[in-house]
Amino acid sequence: RKEVEQDPGPFNVPEGATVAFNCTYSNSASQSFFWYRQDCRKEPKLLMSVYSSGNEDGRFTAQLNRASQYISLLIRDSKLSDSATYLCVVTGLKTSYDKVIFGPGTSLSVIP
Amino acid sequence: GAVVSQHPSRVICKSGTSVKIECRSLDFQATTMFWYRQFPKQSLMLMATSNEGSKATYEQGVEKDKFLINHASLTLSTLTVTSAHPEDSSFYICSAKPYVLNTRQGESGPGRGGNEQFFGPGTRLTVL
Repeated sequence: RKEVEQDPGPFNVPEGATVAFNCTYSNSASQSFFWYRQDCRKEPKLLMSVYSSGNEDGRFTAQLNRASQYISLLIRDSKLSDSATYLCVVTGLKTSYDKVIFGPGTSLSVIP
Repeated sequence: GAVVSQHPSRVICKSGTSVKIECRSLDFQATTMFWYRQFPKQSLMLMATSNEGSKATYEQGVEKDKFLINHASLTLSTLTVTSAHPEDSSFYICSAKPYVLNTRQGESGPGRGGNEQFFGPGTRLTVL
């Protein structure tokens, strides 16, 4: 089983739609969780951190369920500029450093 | 946000040559930097963790003698792809975690803002 798994995608949605991405992780000792966004041929950029209490940033809402080892990202009122690959990222202690694991990513295309 | 630079941004070289990629944290110190590789249409794969002043820790399947990592200072890590071959052609990205001083006097340690990493813009390597 992969350490971090995501919906395979791609997701093709019309402008204004609501879209949800799911992510699961296998290591229960994982400590920190993030959603990153990566545009084509560019480096990943942090979209938001994910907390157990859930957090919202404008049209984006992230949720974490530690018991189920599940993370989600909800995008409301999709914009064309939201088209990108969304990466679920999990970090956790491994010996003396924090190991970072990227999920395979889910591609989103928002269509006019 | 914190800035990480990479140099060069793009390199094309002949098979058998060595290529050196630099990763610099411009406005913060980083005791830990990470090197990733990303093949087309695939996710980032962690290659190694670079720790200032000590040997890098390589992920399983990554040859340490082929991918030499040096983290000589708190702001610079280098990745050298030795004797590059066409299968090494990829997008190489580094990231860095800030090392911050806590507000409590005398305490310091890794960034406690949720373990955020800051990524360099990447280096696209093409080996002919």
